[in-house]
Amino acid sequence: EVQLVESGGGLVQPGGSLRLSCAASGFTFSSDWMHWVRQAPGKGLVWVSRITNDGRGANYADSVTGRFTISRDNAKNTLYLQMNSLRAEDTAVYYCGRAPLVTAIHNWGQGTLVTV
Amino acid sequence: QSALTQPASVSGSPGQSITISCTGTSSDVGGYDYVSWYQQHPGKAPKLMIYDVSNRPSGVSNRFSGSKSGNTASLTISGLQAEDEADYYCYSYTSRYSYVFGTGTEVIVL
Repeated sequence: EVQLVESGGGLVQPGGSLRLSCAASGFTFSSDWMHWVRQAPGKGLVWVSRITNDGRGANYADSVTGRFTISRDNAKNTLYLQMNSLRAEDTAVYYCGRAPLVTAIHNWGQGTLVTV
Repeated sequence: QSALTQPASVSGSPGQSITISCTGTSSDVGGYDYVSWYQQHPGKAPKLMIYDVSNRPSGVSNRFSGSKSGNTASLTISGLQAEDEADYYCYSYTSRYSYVFGTGTEVIVL
């Protein structure tokens, strides 16, 4: 069974930093692209970032480019999101997602709340 | 990266069929057959319902179907059931090597 478990969320001051983690199990982590998606309280889903299976390719939403960095450790089956220069508008539940076919997110974690 | 346009809400009675539209541009929905749909119940993580326009993952009811014409994709729910009441989001790959969600649609079962 595919499992994705996010951690690292919490309360941070504006301008501060936070690193989210997503522990993966139940599939071959090193084979799949991974994504981060966020959802502000009472709002819709917003795509944040994605990374290729080998970690060499990454893309970001305009709103986080230059402030957030996605990375992965395939030996530890873990996905990361380093968030710097945090703003109030970054407050959201952050979900990690697995994309085995590149084009869609097939599995989601339960989310971790970041409050700025 | 403007969000794809969806109706705010769609309603129907049990047993009826409803259709949710998702309108983008030739740089996203119209340019690729990479549209997917997600169901989200309150306080829960999203769930994939349709991928690559019209494919259903295993375990998803065949009451859910997807299609696309030009810059607009659609999700149809037939035989509407109370458990279908949720928020639904479309999602598309874009020409800028990124992805974009729709604005979201609340499905109300009357």
